[in-house]
Amino acid sequence: DAKTTQPPSMDCAEGRAANLPCNHSTISGNEYVYWYRQIHSQGPQYIIHGLKNNETNEMASLIITEDRKSSTLILPHATLRDTAVYYCIVRVNSGGSNYKLTFGKGTLLTVNP
Amino acid sequence: GAVVSQHPSRVICKSGTSVKIECRSLDFQATTMFWYRQFPKKSLMLMATSNEGSKATYEQGVEKDKFLINHASLTLSTLTVTSAHPEDSSFYICSARDASGRASNEQFFGPGTRLTVL
Repeated sequence: DAKTTQPPSMDCAEGRAANLPCNHSTISGNEYVYWYRQIHSQGPQYIIHGLKNNETNEMASLIITEDRKSSTLILPHATLRDTAVYYCIVRVNSGGSNYKLTFGKGTLLTVNP
Repeated sequence: GAVVSQHPSRVICKSGTSVKIECRSLDFQATTMFWYRQFPKKSLMLMATSNEGSKATYEQGVEKDKFLINHASLTLSTLTVTSAHPEDSSFYICSARDASGRASNEQFFGPGTRLTVL
């Protein structure tokens, strides 16, 4: 799976949008971009994933650049409960061992009151 | 839907004893379950992939005789840490893949089990 690069930490004011970047310059054509987050001492939580097109769900929006070498996760109105480590993962979406997720160090997002 | 539970949530044991951790998919069937380990302030590291009815596949460096994995049904996988030592103290997390192969959110994570070996 392609490697990803994320800033180690970011701060955001409560109520403002949080924009979390991720670089994946070696991504292959069949690899998806996944975002998970982990609140302290809990299991990871799926947020969103995409291949080429921008995606939006009830939690967040995912913006993928046209060349697919980077993406941004947007939390439109961050709350204190969004404080967590956010992981950007790229992987193929096919069977067998390709369902494995390889977690990097992620970005610690701290939402401040 | 798509809830994964783990039991126990926290366990303290003496060095040399064995500890079993259960991972259950509560409202879906999971052909594949994954076991991760996370040390303090570190990221999750995949230990093994567990397929229902067959032997688990271990990642490089993970001792299969020390970390016994059983996936006897489509809703239950167990991880047994045998002869636990203090260096095995960690946060163990499982995830389960929905057998229906839903395109979104393929892996659902459990809440984790905190193991402390004295």
